[in-house]
Amino acid sequence: DAGITQSPRHKVTETGTPVTLRCHQTENHRYMYWYRQDPGHGLRLIHYSYGVKDTDKGEVSDGYSVSRSKTEDFLLTLESATSSQTSVYFCAISVRQGGLNTEAFFGQGTRLTVV
Amino acid sequence: GQQLNQSPQSMFIQEGEDVSMNCTSSSIFNTWLWYKQDPGEGPVLLIALYKAGELTSNGRLTAQFGITRKDSFLNISASIPSDVGIYFCAGHPSTGTASKLTFGTGTRLQVTL
Repeated sequence: DAGITQSPRHKVTETGTPVTLRCHQTENHRYMYWYRQDPGHGLRLIHYSYGVKDTDKGEVSDGYSVSRSKTEDFLLTLESATSSQTSVYFCAISVRQGGLNTEAFFGQGTRLTVV
Repeated sequence: GQQLNQSPQSMFIQEGEDVSMNCTSSSIFNTWLWYKQDPGEGPVLLIALYKAGELTSNGRLTAQFGITRKDSFLNISASIPSDVGIYFCAGHPSTGTASKLTFGTGTRLQVTL
């Protein structure tokens, strides 16, 4: 348990509405990530953060934005939800060893359904 | 982006059998990680590998970092029903940002009694 809490755990929303998912960590890790998981695709990186107000895009960032105003919180926002964004979303933190990011530890996930 | 090919995609085995799965890449990786995911949960780290050729065990699990740095395998000995789940390989590619992990598409393991 790396002290990661995701909220909400489940959400159903309508197409076109904004949605924000929250990831909260208690261990002061610098690096935080948002992934989505879909059948046949494994885990794909949406955005990540390497510090307060420092974020960068992953491989599937279109339609998503993130913010990190505090070390402990990393927010993922769907500005206008679409059905293709129905997925399970995982937050993760990574541990640094020898100057490199190594293991990643995951939250329990948020199941988002866009109808 | 980087791609990891994981095989097999799924497997049925009998309790007590040994299991082997592997992960290959077209490019070099600096680290290899193996995760297990149970239904409704996030992936949990099983084994982390940091050096080419490294062989690491965790109970009945053994994983190796390939010499070419382009592959890794995971073995599970004497499988039991709680081994059921999806196993993912992941790694940090040698090029690009060291922060980003790339994941395979997973191996679904089902155990029959």
